[in-house]
Amino acid sequence: ETGVTQTPRHLVMGMTNKKSLKCEQHLGHNAMYWYKQSAKKPLELMFVYNFKEQTENNSVPSRFSPECPNSSHLFLHLHTLQPEDSALYLCASSREGRPANYGYTFGSGTRLTVV
Amino acid sequence: AQRVTQPEKLLSVFKGAPVELKCNYSYSGSPELFWYVQYSRQRLQLLLRHISRESIKGFTADLNKGETSFHLKKPFAQEEDSAMYYCAHYPSRAGGTSYGKLTFGQGTILTVHP
Repeated sequence: ETGVTQTPRHLVMGMTNKKSLKCEQHLGHNAMYWYKQSAKKPLELMFVYNFKEQTENNSVPSRFSPECPNSSHLFLHLHTLQPEDSALYLCASSREGRPANYGYTFGSGTRLTVV
Repeated sequence: AQRVTQPEKLLSVFKGAPVELKCNYSYSGSPELFWYVQYSRQRLQLLLRHISRESIKGFTADLNKGETSFHLKKPFAQEEDSAMYYCAHYPSRAGGTSYGKLTFGQGTILTVHP
């Protein structure tokens, strides 16, 4: 699969579990993003990484912990989540944090269900 | 704070009819605006950018700074246009709290009936 790859595609976890979402891109992009897509809200930006440095934390609860070991990989570590955290989590990447010419490339998302 | 508003959550038209998906933004600087589309069971993908003034799949969108709008239009809708459409805004200048954030509207579900 080319573009932005997210794994797993689906995840069901209990509120006491710890899990991680993975995102990978080999597009030569320097910026990566986590978005949350829930049924009743617009796409919510969670985290932004430019050149592996976190440049944005959009008031996300600490039970979500991002990690960007290099410019091609992005993780979202999850622990003690709540049922309202159930949503589609989308990863995206862009060139140098500026989507003006290229836009964002999105992954297919991870459908997370917290039980 | 910057905001993108798509007033219509649902829009239904018949095949061959014109379609317009509305988008308004609130930002005092020079905006960069986009339309993204998400077809059923597919990933969110870029449809068009205002900066390139292009027509993609018959869709066009004109930036109207006076009305702060970026409506998406197509003169003759096709069934395959049925999808979720998101308008998105990116502040074009560095500085401030909005830099680096692509902000999406709530989305409009377009259904084109045969």
